[in-house]
Amino acid sequence: SAVISQKPSRDICQRGTSLTIQCQVDSQVTMMFWYRQQPGQSLTLIATANQGSEATYESGFVIDKFPISRPNLTFSTLTVSNMSPEDSSIYLCSVEGGGYEQYFGPGTRLTVT
Amino acid sequence: SQELEQSPQSLIVQEGKNLTINCTSSKTLYGLYWYKQKYGEGLIFLMMLQKGGEEKSHEKITAKLDEKKQQSSLHITASQPSHAGIYLCGADDGGYQKVTFGTGTKLQVIP
Repeated sequence: SAVISQKPSRDICQRGTSLTIQCQVDSQVTMMFWYRQQPGQSLTLIATANQGSEATYESGFVIDKFPISRPNLTFSTLTVSNMSPEDSSIYLCSVEGGGYEQYFGPGTRLTVT
Repeated sequence: SQELEQSPQSLIVQEGKNLTINCTSSKTLYGLYWYKQKYGEGLIFLMMLQKGGEEKSHEKITAKLDEKKQQSSLHITASQPSHAGIYLCGADDGGYQKVTFGTGTKLQVIP
C-alpha cells in the first residue's frame, strides 16, 4: 500500500486568492489523481497527473483554474486559483496501487470566505 | 459517462444489526471499488471486485458483484459504532484507473 500525505490539511482563504495543495507519496507512482468533494457530495475527478506530461482535465475543469504540477514520481501540487466560495470543498489526491487498488490522501479541507 | 446510484442514501441502525448497501451502475462494470470515509476525512480502501459473481470479505464487511456486473452490494454483519461513516462505491472506467464515484451512503450506528 501507499502512504499519502497532503498539505495543508485545512485552510480558510479569502475570495480572489489562490491556494496550492501538496500531495506527497512514499513510493514512486506513475499516475496521480486529484478529486474534489463539495459539501455533502460525492467525489468528482478533477484531473489525472502523469510525471513528465501535462495533466489531463475532466469535463468542467480547466487548467487556468486548477493548474497542476507533477515534477517527479512522488509529488504533485494542485492550485485552486482566483477562489470563490463555490470552491469550498475537500480536495483529495489519490494514486494507483498494485492490483488496481487506489489509495487516497487524507484530504485538504478548503473554506473560501 | 458512467453513473453509479447508491441506496439507501442514509441509514441509521442499532449496534449489532446487519445492514446492506447497494450500488447500481448504468453500464457494465470493469471493476467496482468500495471505500469508507470518515466524516471530512480521506477514503479508506475496503475492497475491489472485478469478476461477475465475485464476493470478498474484510472483517465483518462482505461485498458482492452480481453476475451481470452492473450491481454490487455491501453487507455489514453485527454492526458496530466503528462502522459509522460514508460508504462510497466507485467504478473503474475501463483500465485507466480513474474512478467514478457513487452518490454515497451515510451510515450511523447507535450504541
